Amino acid sequence: KQEVTQIPAALSVPEGENLVLNCSFTDSAIYNLQWFRQDPGKGLTSLLLIQSSQREQTSGRLNASLDKSSGRSTLYIAASQPGDSATYLCAGAGRRALTFGSGTRLQVQP
Amino acid sequence: KAGVTQTPRYLIKTRGQQVTLSCSPISGHRSVSWYQQTPGQGLQFLFEYFSETQRNKGNFPGRFSGRQFSNSRSEMNVSTLELGDSALYLCASSSGRGVARGTDTQYFGPGTRLTVL
Repeated sequence: KQEVTQIPAALSVPEGENLVLNCSFTDSAIYNLQWFRQDPGKGLTSLLLIQSSQREQTSGRLNASLDKSSGRSTLYIAASQPGDSATYLCAGAGRRALTFGSGTRLQVQP
Repeated sequence: KAGVTQTPRYLIKTRGQQVTLSCSPISGHRSVSWYQQTPGQGLQFLFEYFSETQRNKGNFPGRFSGRQFSNSRSEMNVSTLELGDSALYLCASSSGRGVARGTDTQYFGPGTRLTVL
């Protein structure tokens, strides 16, 4: 059974700082790894999807990497802004469904 | 293109009642998945539909059921509500043939907040 862990659970940084969010998974047989953002009380917004054959994906200030052999993915956010404050979730796509981590709650202080 | 829409956005029910939630996927998407999100358990997979067929089901009791119509709209039903069913119910759609197809980004709706009293 796939288990996804995200560390840290919460993070507070000053505006402008670069930061890394971590995601680890136990079953390397994933089809892809997705990163989402969730604002309080809202649905999920897709940020990046890394296919199992890829090593990284970039979108603007976001860069996500995937290392299946070690069961790890990271989300790098460059030059953080207060608008980046949200909960970030990673999810591994298995044969049946997405398995989600519990998320990292990010607060960017102005 | 309009995003995934879910109705209603908020619901308050009492124990023992039943509820039906609706999800309209992005136009052209035929795969719809449902997830339950609670503070204690996080996001958990309920079921997935593709072309009116349930493809996968999560580990939830039979009180949770769903269906998909020919226009890809989906409904989920929870019968005999329990306090523990209080949660945010999220629906996601994708353009491919389902979750495990490598390239399929899942697009989520805003969710339905269900409160059971």
